[in-house]
Amino acid sequence: AQKITQTQPGMFVQEKEAVTLDCTYDTSDQSYGLFWYKQPSSGEMIFLIYQGSYDEQNATEGRYSLNFQKARKSANLVISASQLGDSAMYFCAMREAFYTGTASKLTFGTGTRLQVTL
Amino acid sequence: DTGVSQDPRHKITKRGQNVTFRCDPISEHNRLYWYRQTLGQGPEFLTYFQNEAQLEKSRLLSDRFSAERPKGSFSTLEIQRTEQGDSAMYLCASSWTNRRQGAVEKLFFGSGTQLSVL
Repeated sequence: AQKITQTQPGMFVQEKEAVTLDCTYDTSDQSYGLFWYKQPSSGEMIFLIYQGSYDEQNATEGRYSLNFQKARKSANLVISASQLGDSAMYFCAMREAFYTGTASKLTFGTGTRLQVTL
Repeated sequence: DTGVSQDPRHKITKRGQNVTFRCDPISEHNRLYWYRQTLGQGPEFLTYFQNEAQLEKSRLLSDRFSAERPKGSFSTLEIQRTEQGDSAMYLCASSWTNRRQGAVEKLFFGSGTQLSVL
């Protein structure tokens, strides 16, 4: 069974600093995708970044980058130049059978609450 | 594009009552998902629709739960004879996907309906 582990319940970072949010995963599938979502207090899940298991380069989207280490089964999110608006819950998620076009049944971790301070 | 809309935002009900939630996806999105999120956890997949067809249901979706998407546009999720364990945030997400698009299906989530069963 697939599983996502986020071991940091909460993190603090100063404005303009970089922060890494940890995510490890477990799956027997060779074809999977890893995602990060942000959930502000308003409740909606906002897609940030994804990485396919066969992608050779680490994904980047603006200030977000995904540090994908396949052998260690980790997919950490790095946020550079943190902003006050980055304060939110962050969820790591995985989708098996990523490349076959089947539905996005995502398995989520328990999340990390990030607080950006002045 | 007004985003995914869910109604109501909050629902308080007594145990044993029936409740119905509505989700309006982004127009022309052909897939619609329901997820459930309990306190301190990440969302869990419940079910999804491709147009009007309900293609998959999680084992989490007991017989008391029913979801419809009658014309391939909005969707409803009904819970009959609610139990205290049904208390959760119910999230709806939609996406547009086809095989020519490639593997990455991005889900756009609504702000959810927070259900409290007393």
